Amino acid sequence: GAVVSQHPSWVICKSGTSVKIECRSLDFQATTMFWYRQFPKQSLMLMATSNEGSKATYEQGVEKDKFLINHASLTLSTLTVTSAHPEDSSFYICSARDLPGVAEAFFGQGTRLTVV
Amino acid sequence: AQRVTQPEKLLSVFKGAPVELKCNYSYSGSPELFWYVQYSRQRLQLLLRHISRESIKGFTADLNKGETSFHLKKPFAQEEDSAMYYCALKTGGFKTIFGAGTRLFVKA
Repeated sequence: GAVVSQHPSWVICKSGTSVKIECRSLDFQATTMFWYRQFPKQSLMLMATSNEGSKATYEQGVEKDKFLINHASLTLSTLTVTSAHPEDSSFYICSARDLPGVAEAFFGQGTRLTVV
Repeated sequence: AQRVTQPEKLLSVFKGAPVELKCNYSYSGSPELFWYVQYSRQRLQLLLRHISRESIKGFTADLNKGETSFHLKKPFAQEEDSAMYYCALKTGGFKTIFGAGTRLFVKA
């Protein structure tokens, strides 16, 4: 199957700083990428959908200015957590689809963010 | 409202026993449903989708529109089946809604 890679796998940052998480599709072009957040022992919560070259579509309740998403190329999407706070500590997962409308999405390994 | 419900957080069975992980959905359109699996320390991966009507690793799932269910079944559980299983619904906008997940533990 196709490979989606996230970087970093884990990061610790201080409150008030910004953190960027990268999501790359290694062997295919991702027309659509999704960003999820997963709290401990809970399911994945979709944060936003990004299409290459256009603005991301955020789910209700997700702050656009806090979670900046950029999908500048067909193989890279980035999520920047701005002015991070301890409550932003979570597991962030991206997934990518190669063809629009194709159901299967390939998942990254996730990034554990800890804000201290 | 679009919703996926997995009523069991944890399911524990003995090796060789049948297993059924329950999933119910709520969706006004024509549903497209999936089961994802996450083994320990591995990333989430697709197990099967209802449109394929296939059996993967011995697992099957049938979409029952009358009961709005998509339960995952396997006649004889194996220890290597122990994992977290997520039922998911793909909406018309191509986004996927996940259930809360069920942790399957297969005892020797």
